[in-house]
Amino acid sequence: NAGVTQTPKFQVLKTGQSMTLQCAQDMNHNSMYWYRQDPGMGLRLIYYSASEGTTDKGEVPNGYNVSRLNKREFSLRLESAAPSQTSVYFCASSGGTRLWIQYFGAGTRLSVL
Amino acid sequence: GENVEQHPSTLSVQEGDSAVIKCTYSDSASNYFPWYKQELGKRPQLIIDIRSNVGEKKDQRIAVTLNKTAKHFSLHITETQPEDSAVYFCAARVGGNEKLTFGTGTRLTIIP
Repeated sequence: NAGVTQTPKFQVLKTGQSMTLQCAQDMNHNSMYWYRQDPGMGLRLIYYSASEGTTDKGEVPNGYNVSRLNKREFSLRLESAAPSQTSVYFCASSGGTRLWIQYFGAGTRLSVL
Repeated sequence: GENVEQHPSTLSVQEGDSAVIKCTYSDSASNYFPWYKQELGKRPQLIIDIRSNVGEKKDQRIAVTLNKTAKHFSLHITETQPEDSAVYFCAARVGGNEKLTFGTGTRLTIIP
C-alpha cells in the first residue's frame, strides 16, 4: 500500500516547454487534488476531482490542465511553462471511511528557467 | 469563497514550553478543521482535526479548540520537543464541498 505516488520528484524546464506531472493513489479514494506550495503562501489548490470523470478549478488554475484518467490517476499538465510556475507541487487524495482526510504525495519540485 | 488566516507566521519556543497557533475562517458554513504538520522536505501529514459539533479535541500533547461564534480555531502543543519543529498548516472545509482552504503556515522552531 504505497498511498499517493507522484512522479517525477524533480524537474527542470525551460520557459515554454510542456510537461505532465503524474499522480496515482491506491487507496480507492474518490477525490483527488493538485496543490502548489510557494514560500509564505501555504498550499493553494490548482484543480481537484471529486470523482472519476469530473474536474473543477481551484484557487489558481491558470496555466494548468488536468486529466482524471481513471479512479487511481490524476495528472497535471503545464502546456507552456513560465518561471512563475516554479514551485513544489503536491497531489492529494481523500475518500473511504475517513472521508475528509487528505493524504499527500511526496511532491514534485519544479523549476522553470 | 472561504478565507483562512493563520498567525503567527513564525514561532520559537523553548523546549518543554507550550506553543499556540491560531487560525480564523470567514465562511460560517465551514464544518471541518484539520491541522497538518510538514517537516522539512516532506509531505504535509494530518496531526489532528475537529468537526464543528465539537469544541475541543485532544491527542496526547496536542489539542485543538474551536470557537464557532468567533470563527477561530487554535492548535495547542504542550511539553514541546525538538521533533515538533516543523511548519504547521490549518485548514477549513465548507460543508458540502470537497475542497480544503489552507492557511499560510506557521514555522515552529523548538529551542533546545
